[in-house]
Amino acid sequence: DMKVTQMPRYLIKRMGENVLLECGQDMSHETMYWYRQDPGLGLQLIYISYDVDSNSEGDIPKGYRVSRKKREHFSLILDSAKTNQTSVYFCASSHGRNTLYFGAGTRLSVL
Amino acid sequence: GDSVTQTEGLVTVTEGLPVKLNCTYQTTYLTIAFFWYVQYLNEAPQVLLKSSTDNKRTEHQGFHATLHKSSSSFHLQKSSAQLSDSALYYCALSNNNNAPRFGAGTKLSVKP
Repeated sequence: DMKVTQMPRYLIKRMGENVLLECGQDMSHETMYWYRQDPGLGLQLIYISYDVDSNSEGDIPKGYRVSRKKREHFSLILDSAKTNQTSVYFCASSHGRNTLYFGAGTRLSVL
Repeated sequence: GDSVTQTEGLVTVTEGLPVKLNCTYQTTYLTIAFFWYVQYLNEAPQVLLKSSTDNKRTEHQGFHATLHKSSSSFHLQKSSAQLSDSALYYCALSNNNNAPRFGAGTKLSVKP
């Protein structure tokens, strides 16, 4: 079954706390992505990972870092979360530059 | 770099009438693929259409789009909108050199 799984689905954090968003895929896709979605701004790329330990910044990497130690797993870390990082975060994976498969998203609120 | 423009933030149409969502792009690369993704309320975006062939009509679920490289466009159309088509639609392009680029999205609202 082709699936991208994101955990948790909902998260509430206080400003300054660390946040870990996890993503897994079962399609052996080499490429994985983290996007955030905000009204009127669409999907903005935070980081792209081309494979294990091969990560590149996207358009809005400031305040975020990522980790990919296994091909099927890609994590997004917010060190000392800020209120402007309140958003919906989507993980996606693809084979090369082909169709992206998205997870269900994580709705993060930073208070 | 690449850019994708969706000019309408919201399109409202009456059920049964045709609908067109606009998408134009800018890119300096030749090997490119174009996508329309649809996101229903509280769900993940999912691919609706994909094309990489100039002037070829692509269809799926009643929607169709034709890539026109001469006008840098990949508009999404449907001849008869249904209530269930209400969703957020993203146009995107992808090439071998950069990460996929998404437009800002168009919310389609179909009214009875």
